[in-house]
Amino acid sequence: GDSVTQMEGPVTLSEEAFLTINCTYTATGYPSLFWYVQYPGEGLQLLLKATKADDKGSNKGFEATYRKETTSFHLEKGSVQVSDSAVYFCALGEGDYKLSFGAGTTVTVRA
Amino acid sequence: SQTIHQWPATLVQPVGSPLSLECTVEGTSNPNLYWYRQAAGRGLQLLFYSVGIGQISSEVPQNLSASRPQDRQFILSSKKLLLSDSGFYLCAWLPLDQKNYGYTFGSGTRLTVV
Repeated sequence: GDSVTQMEGPVTLSEEAFLTINCTYTATGYPSLFWYVQYPGEGLQLLLKATKADDKGSNKGFEATYRKETTSFHLEKGSVQVSDSAVYFCALGEGDYKLSFGAGTTVTVRA
Repeated sequence: SQTIHQWPATLVQPVGSPLSLECTVEGTSNPNLYWYRQAAGRGLQLLFYSVGIGQISSEVPQNLSASRPQDRQFILSSKKLLLSDSGFYLCAWLPLDQKNYGYTFGSGTRLTVV
């Protein structure tokens, strides 16, 4: 079935460093792709999304481009802050409106 | 505005005791509703989803059950908890008119079975 594979963490960075979290997917059709963020002790929040090939989702300085040719949706941010410390989940939208999530990547940003 | 409420926020229960977690959605009608579990240090596992009152789909065999007695209410239950039921339980909803699968999640319930 449809699935996502996400770069394993944890990832530790210094403030203002560049962040990339890799996500690749397997799907039979043309899924929607998402990145969710989970701050400590909280539920998940939708960070950004892309619903078709070549779409670029962006929010809070984060970006991800839906690449059909490489089946990827990598998350990037040019200059991270301590407040970006969180767990990031890549997700894929399947039929029946279900999401499949990656395992999550824990990101810690040090001051 | 549309909101989702989930309670309790934390729960400590002994092995063998019953469980009832509740999730309600406001500001929308006929949403799709979901229960996910996140074990410590692990990803999200879809447990149940519902596309309407009384309609429950189970994704994994387990000692948990779900019910949807009202349009905007989704309940997760167990008759006898196991240690392995410990985890972070998340409710989510999706409005019928949102075709891009953008779930909205509740704030979660942290369950510790002792």
